[in-house]
Amino acid sequence: QVQLQESGPGLVKPSETLSLTCSVSGSSISTYYWNWIRQPPGKALEWVGYVYDTVYDSVKTNFNPSLKSRLTMSVDTSKNQISLNLSSVTAADTAVYFCARGRNGYLVHWGPGIPLTVSA
Amino acid sequence: DIQMTQSPSTLSASVGDSVTITCRASQSIFGLLAWYQHKPGTAPKLLIYKASTLESGVPSRFSGSGSGTEFTLTISNLQPDDFATYFCQQYNGYSTTFGQGTKVEVK
Repeated sequence: QVQLQESGPGLVKPSETLSLTCSVSGSSISTYYWNWIRQPPGKALEWVGYVYDTVYDSVKTNFNPSLKSRLTMSVDTSKNQISLNLSSVTAADTAVYFCARGRNGYLVHWGPGIPLTVSA
Repeated sequence: DIQMTQSPSTLSASVGDSVTITCRASQSIFGLLAWYQHKPGTAPKLLIYKASTLESGVPSRFSGSGSGTEFTLTISNLQPDDFATYFCQQYNGYSTTFGQGTKVEVK
């Protein structure tokens, strides 16, 4: 059974870098598309981006153009984790952040999400 | 970006009812649409992909239809476990976008 669990600080100050981790059990990290999605309060879900480990020692990423300049994603196959880093955060980055495993573009397995607040 | 307009935002229904939720895309998405169920504090659950294909393990009272820009999710014989929020996702092209969600609540 594939299970995903997001973890992170809960609160980040404006202008700092947000770091989130998605821990995966029941699935290899390699050869799957690992997505991050977020939902700001009262708004629709927003796709953040994905990271894909090709097993040939290369990692591919694809990011939402609106976040691309501030975003990095990585995988740690030894820990079976995916990470997201979002720099220069503002209040607009306050949201519940989800990780999800993709299949052909849709999202088969999700984590329960983690709330993240940007505030001084 | 392809915009997804989902309606209604809230739907009141009773156990045993049949309900329909609609998603409209701002341009054709060639059937690349998924539906999800979400309950607060839990992981969203994939119900349907490619507009009408039921994900394994999902009850047959859930069905999806549509093509081009207009898609529907129908829940027949609504069960107590079905009261939740439902949202659509288009996955045609470079990026993916979601509908605003529909909360199905007890009438």
